[in-house]
Amino acid sequence: EAGVTQSPTHLIKTRGQQATLRCSPISGHTSVYWYQQALGLGLQFLLWYDEGEERNRGNFPPRFSGRQFPNYSSELNVNALELEDSALYLCASSIGTFTGELFFGEGSRLTVL
Amino acid sequence: GDSVTQMEGPVTLSEEAFLTINCTYTATGYPSLFWYVQYPGEGLQLLLKATKADDKGSNKGFEATYRKETTSFHLEKGSVQVSDSAVYFCAWNSGNTPLVFGKGTRLSVIA
Repeated sequence: EAGVTQSPTHLIKTRGQQATLRCSPISGHTSVYWYQQALGLGLQFLLWYDEGEERNRGNFPPRFSGRQFPNYSSELNVNALELEDSALYLCASSIGTFTGELFFGEGSRLTVL
Repeated sequence: GDSVTQMEGPVTLSEEAFLTINCTYTATGYPSLFWYVQYPGEGLQLLLKATKADDKGSNKGFEATYRKETTSFHLEKGSVQVSDSAVYFCAWNSGNTPLVFGKGTRLSVIA
């Protein structure tokens, strides 16, 4: 069974540009979560989608947005990139309502120059 | 606010040493508690969990006990191996809220 897959693995952008990150959940999982893992800050919750709807949002500015498609894959968009957006972005999935276990992808590393 | 505090690393141990990674949480209600592990080059994965006070989660020789009186969920292993080298994250959630993670503790085990 394929795990959570994320693309691209690495992405380099310059300040002010936009970045798009993609995530495919495990087959049968309807919930997708996005976390930011910046150096020294641990995992910060960004967004949670379930059945195509945004269920919860972390304490991030509106230039962080996303969506979930009918096939449950998801996209994270970061507009007007800033240097401090450089981080590893992790996607995780779970079966519907959270039961305690998230399955994580290996992440997309975004570098903003 | 709601948070997780875990001991800062890195932690370096010799093989077969005893491991403790401290974790305390601040949360309202009765959260569920988790330890996730991130091995080099891999995604985070659930190591163990406990859903109510006094529960003990265990897996791969690791244990952690949910102590509500001290709001703690310390991770322990009696004899670490080189293959246990990884970053360990303590986390909690309550109800249907997303997981709240600590900053992670890097463990290096040397032969």
